[in-house]
Amino acid sequence: NAGVMQNPRHLVRRRGQEARLRCSPMKGHSHVYWYRQLPEEGLKFMVYLQKENIIDESGMPKERFSAEFPKEGPSILRIQQVVRGDSAAYFCASSPQDQETQYFGPGTRLLVL
Amino acid sequence: AQSVTQPDIHITVSEGASLELRCNYSYGATPYLFWYVQSPGQGLQLLLKYFSGDTLVQGIKGFEAEFKRSQSSFNLRKPSVHWSDAAEYFCAVGYTNAGKSTFGDGTTLTVKP
Repeated sequence: NAGVMQNPRHLVRRRGQEARLRCSPMKGHSHVYWYRQLPEEGLKFMVYLQKENIIDESGMPKERFSAEFPKEGPSILRIQQVVRGDSAAYFCASSPQDQETQYFGPGTRLLVL
Repeated sequence: AQSVTQPDIHITVSEGASLELRCNYSYGATPYLFWYVQSPGQGLQLLLKYFSGDTLVQGIKGFEAEFKRSQSSFNLRKPSVHWSDAAEYFCAVGYTNAGKSTFGDGTTLTVKP
């Protein structure tokens, strides 16, 4: 059973471009969570999704950030018009239905030039 | 709102010495508590978790943690540290029904030969 997969592992964008981060949960997991880790800090919750539904987006910035988890395919975290402050590691986690243990992917490290 | 405090930003221990990493949480109900380890450039690996029952929890790699409700603490311990334990350690608290986790800012462990 493959773990949580994220791609790309590293992403470089120039200011103003768009960044798309993908997360494939573990097989059988229907819950996906996105976290952001700024340098020298812990992980900060961004959004919690189930298939085709956003359950909790209280940690998402109000502008430029969006997330989806379609019926088919991976979850996508989209950042429009990136700025240097978006440079961070973005981690995805998944969990089985009704269970609390989250399994983390290896992360996508975004660098905005 | 729930919060997690890891008072020690950086700890250095000698190989073979014992280790205790502190974690304090603030949460209204009985929390779900986790310890994760992160090696440089890697994702998070779950070391152990506490949901209910025995307050002394055994994890992987020889780690254990004790939940103390009266002190709102969930400290991580290992009797004898190995050089490969050098990493960053995160304590996290979760909701009761599969939702976001709140992470501490982490403790960086350095192991001296």
